[in-house]
Amino acid sequence: KQEVTQIPAALSVPEGENLVLNCSFTDSAIYNLQWFRQDPGKGLTSLLLIQSSQREQTSGRLNASLDKSSGRSTLYIAASQPGDSATYLCAVRGDSGANSKLTFGKGITLSVRP
Amino acid sequence: DAGVIQSPRHEVTEMGQEVTLRCKPISGHDYLFWYRQTMMRGLELLIYFNNNVPIDDSGMPEDRFSAKMPNASFSTLKIQPSEPRDSAVYFCASSPGQYSNQPQHFGDGTRLSIL
Repeated sequence: KQEVTQIPAALSVPEGENLVLNCSFTDSAIYNLQWFRQDPGKGLTSLLLIQSSQREQTSGRLNASLDKSSGRSTLYIAASQPGDSATYLCAVRGDSGANSKLTFGKGITLSVRP
Repeated sequence: DAGVIQSPRHEVTEMGQEVTLRCKPISGHDYLFWYRQTMMRGLELLIYFNNNVPIDDSGMPEDRFSAKMPNASFSTLKIQPSEPRDSAVYFCASSPGQYSNQPQHFGDGTRLSIL
């Protein structure tokens, strides 16, 4: 059974800092990995999706990397801003077909201090 | 694009009562998902539909839970009878086409409290 772990559960940084959020998964047989953002009282917003054959994806100040063999992914946020404060979740999709489920981590709650 | 719309946003009811959560997916999206989020277990998929047909309901915790999608623009998740351990935030999400490579669009959730 796939397990997704995100440590630490919470992180506080000063504005302007570059930071890395970590995600690890136990079963390397994945189809893709996604990073989501969740604001308080809201649903999830997809940030980046990395296919199993890819190493990284970039969108603006965000860069996500994937090392499938070691079961790790990182989300890099450059020049963090208070508006980046939210919970960040990673999720993996198994490779047992395109209709396999997403397994989510419990998220990292990020606070960026002005 | 109005996004995925869920109602109600908050529901507080007593144990044993029937609870019905509602979802309107984004127009044109073929897939609809129901998730439950708790502090202990995180986000879990309960059931998903493709073209209004339930495809995988293995995440539905027990027979007290049921979900329907009578048409492409509406789905319900029903709990009968409700129990305190059902308290959670329930999310509905939808996605277009071959969903494995498409991002899922989430509603803002229904926060359910069973007393």
